[in-house]
Amino acid sequence: DAKTTQPTSMDCAEGRAANLPCNHSTISGNEYVYWYRQIHSQGPQYIIHGLKNNETNEMASLIITEDRKSSTLILPHATLRDTAVYYCIVSGGGTSYGKLTFGQGTILTVHP
Amino acid sequence: DVKVTQSSRYLVKRTGEKVFLECVQDMDHENMFWYRQDPGLGLRLIYFSYDVKMKEKGDIPEGYSVSREKKERFSLILESASTNQTSMYLCASRKPTGNQGTPLHFGNGTRLTVT
Repeated sequence: DAKTTQPTSMDCAEGRAANLPCNHSTISGNEYVYWYRQIHSQGPQYIIHGLKNNETNEMASLIITEDRKSSTLILPHATLRDTAVYYCIVSGGGTSYGKLTFGQGTILTVHP
Repeated sequence: DVKVTQSSRYLVKRTGEKVFLECVQDMDHENMFWYRQDPGLGLRLIYFSYDVKMKEKGDIPEGYSVSREKKERFSLILESASTNQTSMYLCASRKPTGNQGTPLHFGNGTRLTVT
């Protein structure tokens, strides 16, 4: 699985958009980009994933660059409850038991 | 919504004990996973299972074994608990990906302390 690089920490004001970047320059053609977040003392929570098109759901938007070497997770109106560690993961979609390798993630702090 | 349930939220065991961590999922997922999470080390994959009675070693299988007798249940076994196995243990499940990406669904974890 391709390795990802994320900033260690980011801040965001409540009500503003939080844009979390991720570099995955060695991504291969069949690998998906996944985003999870983990709030203290809970299991990771799935947010969104995509292959090459931009994706949106009720939680967030995922923007993937045309060359697929980087992506951005957008939380459009951050709230204090969005304070968490955010993980960007790249993993193959073709195998039936592809495992996801988690890095250190980005600590997002949303402040009033 | 997918529900992944881990039997214990907190567990305290003594060195040398055999420890069973249980995980049950309710979405008929073929794939199940056990991770451990430690400060500064992130999540590390211990074992995974892509179907009933199947198992594969992850990145750190030493000192652990697993059992998958039924599709919905995946057990992690610490044969002889040691203090360096004190950690947060996370179970996850997933549909087989096929040609489409599918996400992992996690339980809330079991915080195991070995004294």
